[in-house]
Amino acid sequence: QVQLVQSGAEVKKPGSSVKVSCKASGGTFSNYPINWVRQAPGQGLEWMGGIIPMFGIANYAQKFQGRVTITADESTTTAYMHLRSLRSEDTAVYYCAREYKAGFWFDPWGQGTLVTVSS
Amino acid sequence: DIVMTQSPDSLAVSLGERATINCKSSQSVLNSSNNKNYLAWYQQKPGQPPKVVIYWASTRESGVPDRFSGSGSGTDFTLTISSLQAEDVAVYYCQQYYSTRRTFGQGTKLEI
Repeated sequence: QVQLVQSGAEVKKPGSSVKVSCKASGGTFSNYPINWVRQAPGQGLEWMGGIIPMFGIANYAQKFQGRVTITADESTTTAYMHLRSLRSEDTAVYYCAREYKAGFWFDPWGQGTLVTVSS
Repeated sequence: DIVMTQSPDSLAVSLGERATINCKSSQSVLNSSNNKNYLAWYQQKPGQPPKVVIYWASTRESGVPDRFSGSGSGTDFTLTISSLQAEDVAVYYCQQYYSTRRTFGQGTKLEI
């Protein structure tokens, strides 16, 4: 059974950056896309982008293009989401989620990482 | 990007009654080569990540009670809970996985 475990909560200053990790265990890592989804307080789900670890090429939502980088390390079965130029509106819970199979729905999900951006 | 629009934004249903949530996509998510609709429904309870309940628009995930059903094709989809139970209180999201740029509906809050 695949499990995704994310890094802990972060507090960041406006203008800084954050890197959240997502470690996969219990299954194949390389050929299953990992996606990042965020959820601002009291708001809905917003897809940020995804990556297929074996290819290392990421695909981003237009809104985040140029400000986010998603990477994956096959040797440690860990995916990363790096968001730069943080502003208060980036305060959210960030989830990683693996596709059930490439091109399919998201299952499983990580537990979420709260990123708070505050001066 | 494909825009997913859910209705209503919130819904209050009595225990044992039917709940119906709609989802409309800005373009078809039906793949004509395999006749599958690339549409999933997720349930999210407070403090938890989302959990898939329906995929391929109408296939119930293993372990999901059979009171949950999905229907629709092309651009119009529905999630139905036939007899609402207390544990079904949650926010429900539709998602398309037809496009490599995945998108979600804005969510529907289901209450008793």
